[in-house]
Amino acid sequence: DSGVTQTPKHLITATGQRVTLRCSPRSGDLSVYWYQQSLDQGLQFLIQYYNGEERAKGNILERFSAQQFPDLHSELNLSSLELGDSALYFCASSGQGLNNEQFFGPGTRLTVL
Amino acid sequence: EDQVTQSPEALRLQEGESSSLNCSYTVSGLRGLFWYRQDPGKGPEFLFTLYSAGEEKEKERLKATLTKKESFLHITAPKPEDSATYLCAVGTGYALNFGKGTSLLVTP
Repeated sequence: DSGVTQTPKHLITATGQRVTLRCSPRSGDLSVYWYQQSLDQGLQFLIQYYNGEERAKGNILERFSAQQFPDLHSELNLSSLELGDSALYFCASSGQGLNNEQFFGPGTRLTVL
Repeated sequence: EDQVTQSPEALRLQEGESSSLNCSYTVSGLRGLFWYRQDPGKGPEFLFTLYSAGEEKEKERLKATLTKKESFLHITAPKPEDSATYLCAVGTGYALNFGKGTSLLVTP
């Protein structure tokens, strides 16, 4: 158990809908990262937050957004969902400093029908 | 552009048959080379971080090494429970840039 929690574990929805994925980092970690994993693309970095502020962006679509709250939990919002958004979404957390080890949560499996 | 390439894509070993997984990378400024293990449908589990060429780290049957262009994950006398996908990633500032992984199957 990494100490990172994610909810829900599974999410099934329809095209055009909006969903919210939630992540709680390990105790004491200020950084939260979101990754998308699909069969053909592998693990792709989406976005990072550090202590409530956006720190870095990767290949995140404009339809996706995230935020980190004062209690350090984070939410990833996915809107106008398309079939191709079906994937595993992982949250990871790390301590201070650049490129400290990132510890991953169990993931949310999103299926868009 | 930063690139991480893992080989082979898949590897099947007999229990006790040692082997190595390769991770080659091109990155403008390496800030750590990371190895993770991922079981199907689960989140990646952190194994090792290597920061400089010549560095080695060990954990049970696994040993990771690093050169200026690649890293190896050596698996000594593997057991069926070592079956998983092994992911390599390079630190590029804030994010990790992952390879596509090597799927390892160890048969009894």
